[in-house]
Amino acid sequence: QSALTQPPSVSGSPGQSVTISCTGSSGDVGSFNRVSWYQQPPGTAPKLIIYEVTNRPSGVPHRFSGSKSGNTASLTISGLQTEDEADYYCSSYTTINTWVFGGGTKVTVL
Amino acid sequence: DVQLVKSGGNLVKPGGSFRLFCAASGFNSSHAWMSWVRQAPGKGLEWVGLIKSQTDGGTTEYAAPMKGRFTISRDDSKNMFYLQMDRLKIEDTAVYYCASGALWDKGTLVIVSS
Repeated sequence: QSALTQPPSVSGSPGQSVTISCTGSSGDVGSFNRVSWYQQPPGTAPKLIIYEVTNRPSGVPHRFSGSKSGNTASLTISGLQTEDEADYYCSSYTTINTWVFGGGTKVTVL
Repeated sequence: DVQLVKSGGNLVKPGGSFRLFCAASGFNSSHAWMSWVRQAPGKGLEWVGLIKSQTDGGTTEYAAPMKGRFTISRDDSKNMFYLQMDRLKIEDTAVYYCASGALWDKGTLVIVSS
């Protein structure tokens, strides 16, 4: 199973919105609403911020939102804040009963 | 507190074996599916495998590079999960995480080197 495709980096100024894409195939993103997003600041463990495409775990700010269209899922951070600077990873369940991650996107707050 | 705590890492020679333990506390882990995820130094996340709850069959699934070398198991009487790694390769050097939904441990570094 190939890794999901994410842009290596995105950037934005505080208050702006940024969107990270996560492109898979009909074998993963396109077949299931089981896409998750993780935030990983440097030197820390990943933190789940979106599950099942659009759901936020308790305590995750509302400025994080997820969506999906076809084989591509997206994470949008609205009203970017300095503490949002981190690496972000998507993951998806697959038709062969495994999970696959994206390559990761580094978000820089200018 | 609800948390996952893992055993310490180690330096292992190529071809060797090592077992990681993940202890769940603060919740009934017998109903949990547990995944293992790894991250090579400076690289992205890589899914290793998972074990389902006994009520869901207790079966395991593995990523292709780990199949046949890694074994995931669980002991619900002890709230423990295990990742047995055999025939280790240098490229298995990584921080290993156990994860169940939003709950992740802090990660353990395993170094495979001669």
